[in-house]
Amino acid sequence: AQKVTQAQTEISVVEKEDVTLDCVYETRDTTYYLFWYKQPPSGELVFLIRRNSFDEQNEISGRYSWNFQKSTSSFNFTITASQVVDSAVYFCALSEAGDDKIIFGKGTRLHILP
Amino acid sequence: DAGITQSPRHKVTETGTPVTLRCHQTENHRYMYWYRQDPGHGLRLIHYSYGVKDTDKGEVSDGYSVSRSKTEDFLLTLESATSSQTSVYFCAISEAQNGYTFGSGTRLTVV
Repeated sequence: AQKVTQAQTEISVVEKEDVTLDCVYETRDTTYYLFWYKQPPSGELVFLIRRNSFDEQNEISGRYSWNFQKSTSSFNFTITASQVVDSAVYFCALSEAGDDKIIFGKGTRLHILP
Repeated sequence: DAGITQSPRHKVTETGTPVTLRCHQTENHRYMYWYRQDPGHGLRLIHYSYGVKDTDKGEVSDGYSVSRSKTEDFLLTLESATSSQTSVYFCAISEAQNGYTFGSGTRLTVV
């Protein structure tokens, strides 16, 4: 069965600090997809990234980076030089190949303090 | 923005009454989903659809039914609303496994 664990329920950091959000997943499939979504205080859900299981290269997009490690079944998300606008709930999610649905973790609430 | 809208955005209803939430898309995506979001639980799948009249249950489907008579519309019905169904409901659409696009959510309060 597939499962996504985000052990950090809530994190607070001071602006400009780096912060890493952890995501550990479980799946029996060799082909699967991993996602991160952001939910700012306004409530909408915003897609950030999708990775497939065959691509373990780290991804960087501006201040955001993602570290995918199959050996530890982790897909961690790092924000460098955090800003107040990064305050949000972040969800990690997993979809198995051939399955039409995505399973979400419970989310990590990130507070960036000015 | 992807064309996905949910209605209503907010609703207060009484226990025992039926409630229908609507999700409408203009993207012609095959897959549509209904999730509920509750504190401490994240997003949980209620029902989903992979085509007109093709639907399936998610992990928290009890007390809910869905219908999809047209590609663009996916309706979620609470047959007899209970206080435990107070939640924020999100609709999502997708094509293949490119990830979801979510609607803005419906905040439902059952009193």
